[in-house]
Amino acid sequence: DTGVSQDPRHKITKRGQNVTFRCDPISEHNRLYWYRQTLGQGPEFLTYFQNEAQLEKSRLLSDRFSAERPKGSFSTLEIQRTEQGDSAMYLCASSLSWAKNIQYFGAGTRLSVL
Amino acid sequence: GQNIDQPTEMTATEGAIVQINCTYQTSGFNGLFWYQQHAGEAPTFLSYNVLDGLEEKGRFSSFLSRSKGYSYLLLKELQMKDSASYLCGVMDSNYQLIWGAGTKLIIKP
Repeated sequence: DTGVSQDPRHKITKRGQNVTFRCDPISEHNRLYWYRQTLGQGPEFLTYFQNEAQLEKSRLLSDRFSAERPKGSFSTLEIQRTEQGDSAMYLCASSLSWAKNIQYFGAGTRLSVL
Repeated sequence: GQNIDQPTEMTATEGAIVQINCTYQTSGFNGLFWYQQHAGEAPTFLSYNVLDGLEEKGRFSSFLSRSKGYSYLLLKELQMKDSASYLCGVMDSNYQLIWGAGTKLIIKP
């Protein structure tokens, strides 16, 4: 078990470009979460999946953000037409719904929008 | 609305004990979690409370009072490596983790 992995670790992009991040959860974890975190703040919930179904999406999330988990394993988070305010750490976590739902986090993808 | 409150920053001395408090108001309750986060790294799980009382795990203990909407994380025999942010998170009725802003703990020699 290699833990939750995220790719890339760092992404620098120009305003208006699209970016896509990947998350590979711990194998057999049925739940997968995406969060955004800025300096000095706790993680902000974006969305989560149970298997391949997207069960919840933050009302704060604009239509520029979309996430998929097509086969119930890895997930991708896409941000279209990036803005400077999107600069943050994007964290992925996974859990087993029947094991206290303890979430295990990946190292994150740091996005810088210039 | 949902709200998690914890102190922004605390300072303690190596070898001492520190208590980090967390109060919460959420729509439903399905457990309270404490995580440690070193600068630039991902949060790592420390403890989980769903029933009232104290959970002890080595140098770390966590307490929960659901009727008061209150928890604390107790760190004993502080070491320099304990310098980090400590995040309190509450799982609400939709099984979403609502997070506090974190408490930055500074350990001095």
